Amino acid sequence: AQSVTQLDSQVPVFEEAPVELRCNYSSSVSVYLFWYVQYPNQGLQLLLKYLSGSTLVESINGFEAEFNKSQTSFHLRKPSVHISDTAEYFCAVSDGGGGADGLTFGKGTHLIIQP
Amino acid sequence: NAGVTQTPKFQVLKTGQSMTLQCAQDMNHNSMYWYRQDPGMGLRLIYYSASEGTTDKGEVPNGYNVSRLNKREFSLRLESAAPSQTSVYFCASSFLGSGELFFGEGSRLTVL
Repeated sequence: AQSVTQLDSQVPVFEEAPVELRCNYSSSVSVYLFWYVQYPNQGLQLLLKYLSGSTLVESINGFEAEFNKSQTSFHLRKPSVHISDTAEYFCAVSDGGGGADGLTFGKGTHLIIQP
Repeated sequence: NAGVTQTPKFQVLKTGQSMTLQCAQDMNHNSMYWYRQDPGMGLRLIYYSASEGTTDKGEVPNGYNVSRLNKREFSLRLESAAPSQTSVYFCASSFLGSGELFFGEGSRLTVL
């Protein structure tokens, strides 16, 4: 079974500063990797995903993540955060073999933006 | 476009009572899922349905049952609620094998 480790439960950062949210997953032959964001009292929304191809993936709101197979990592970064980025961020992995048994989620990282 | 719709959004139960959480999706997805979210635990898979007519246990199935009523609907039933089932429940759906899940807004359940 897959597992996901998000090393930080909470990350405080000042507005306009850079941020990195760390994610490591258990090794497998092939995986799909995802970052989801959850704003207060809402469901999860897909932020970005890695299925294959380029190891650097980007979202429309300035986040990016890089798939590093040798380090089994998929860290999320943003060069300059905004107050509206305050949310819970979840890293998730699924078996890249096309199975239907859903995603395995990390425990989440609460990103706190300080003015 | 409604996406994934869950009802009810809030529910309070007494220990031993039963209830059913309803979920419907309008994206023609094959696969549907029920997760629970608890503080510090992330999301844990309760049950899933890869396609209409099939259901399988996830990581934490004890105390729950599911029904895949048709391609659109996937319900979660608590036969005899316990305080340990106090949680936020999320339904999700996806195309088979895509890995990308679309979530509902959640159902907050409190068991007293």
